[in-house]
Amino acid sequence: GNSVTQMEGPVTLSEEAFLTINCTYTATGYPSLFWYVQYPGEGLQLLLKATKADDKGSNKGFEATYRKETTSFHLEKGSVQVSDSAVYFCARGRGSGYSTLTFGKGTMLLVSP
Amino acid sequence: NAGVTQTPKFQVLKTGQSMTLQCAQDMNHEYMSWYRQDPGMGLRLIHYSVGAGITDQGEVPNGYNVSRSTTEDFPLRLLSAAPSQTSVYFCASQGSDTQYFGPGTRLTVL
Repeated sequence: GNSVTQMEGPVTLSEEAFLTINCTYTATGYPSLFWYVQYPGEGLQLLLKATKADDKGSNKGFEATYRKETTSFHLEKGSVQVSDSAVYFCARGRGSGYSTLTFGKGTMLLVSP
Repeated sequence: NAGVTQTPKFQVLKTGQSMTLQCAQDMNHEYMSWYRQDPGMGLRLIHYSVGAGITDQGEVPNGYNVSRSTTEDFPLRLLSAAPSQTSVYFCASQGSDTQYFGPGTRLTVL
């Protein structure tokens, strides 16, 4: 079946540190891949997406590359800020479109000044 | 556009009570979904709808009913609440490029 595995948190970093949050998915078909962010007390917001192999999604300094050979979609940011503190969810679609999503368990990021 | 709205924001129920969580979107999206979020579990799909009059089960449908009489509304019903249904519930509406999530309903069943 469809599944998404992401690293457990919390991830604790100092401001301006480099961030990587790992995400792997089951390779059933060619799903679209997403990263969502949830700030405290809010719903989920789309952070970035990639719809095919080797695509790179990017937004707000975050990047993730769709790696078909390793079935991965790791989230990276070169210099995190305190305002990046949130929970990050990796997700995959059922097919090539958006449809319903299968989410990872989420990774909490805590950035200190 | 208000986007996706959910009511109520908070609710406390006793075991066995029934209630309906409301969800509405004003973006004319055909595809809508309900998820529940539990600590360490991520979001799990409860039910979804591909258009008015059409619904289907997701990953964890037991104990929940849905209907889709209009494009705008997609209510989630708990017929007999159980403590295991204590969770945060999110409704989502799918646009051409992303899913839009509501602010959530935090439900506690005592």
